[in-house]
Amino acid sequence: DAKTTQPNSMESNEEEPVHLPCNHSTISGTDYIHWYRQLPSQGPEYVIHGLTSNVNNRMASLAIAEDRKSSTLILHRATLRDAAVYYCILRVYTGGFKTIFGAGTRLFVKA
Amino acid sequence: KAGVTQTPRYLIKTRGQQVTLSCSPISGHRSVSWYQQTPGQGLQFLFEYFSETQRNKGNFPGRFSGRQFSNSRSEMNVSTLELGDSALYLCASSWARGDLETQYFGPGTRLLVL
Repeated sequence: DAKTTQPNSMESNEEEPVHLPCNHSTISGTDYIHWYRQLPSQGPEYVIHGLTSNVNNRMASLAIAEDRKSSTLILHRATLRDAAVYYCILRVYTGGFKTIFGAGTRLFVKA
Repeated sequence: KAGVTQTPRYLIKTRGQQVTLSCSPISGHRSVSWYQQTPGQGLQFLFEYFSETQRNKGNFPGRFSGRQFSNSRSEMNVSTLELGDSALYLCASSWARGDLETQYFGPGTRLLVL
């Protein structure tokens, strides 16, 4: 099964950019890379996703390596509300789609 | 628009019992996925339903089953509960194709097996 690897935790100062890395060396050509985050006592919420090209939305940017074996979620200006567990996810096609979650990175944001 | 709802929110059962959890997706969403979240294993995919058909299944024993109704509401059932089934069970819905569409997660059902 394809899997993702993320650092257990990261720290950032408020108002500074944050780069959250993810390795997915076993990714296949049709696998999409999704990022979700989970705030305490809530279900995960969608952040961004991509296949090959870098992507931007109002929440974040996603930078995907040329060989697709790694990606980086970029929060441009971290706020206290961004403190959460961030999951790098592969959407894998095996006749139907299933989601392979990594262990997630717990992001701490310091005021 | 109302979000994904899950009932019940909290549940206590004893070993050997069975349990049924319910998920109502966002109106118009046809794909429903279920996940188990535990401190030790993290988030693990259980299964996905689309138009009343199970499209994919994770690596869980047959005690875990699910179904989807014509109105896209879904239920999952766990029979012969074990202590290790204690977890947060999350349901997520998406519009049509779970591969590309954003998944919207519910708040989860926290199950405690004694």
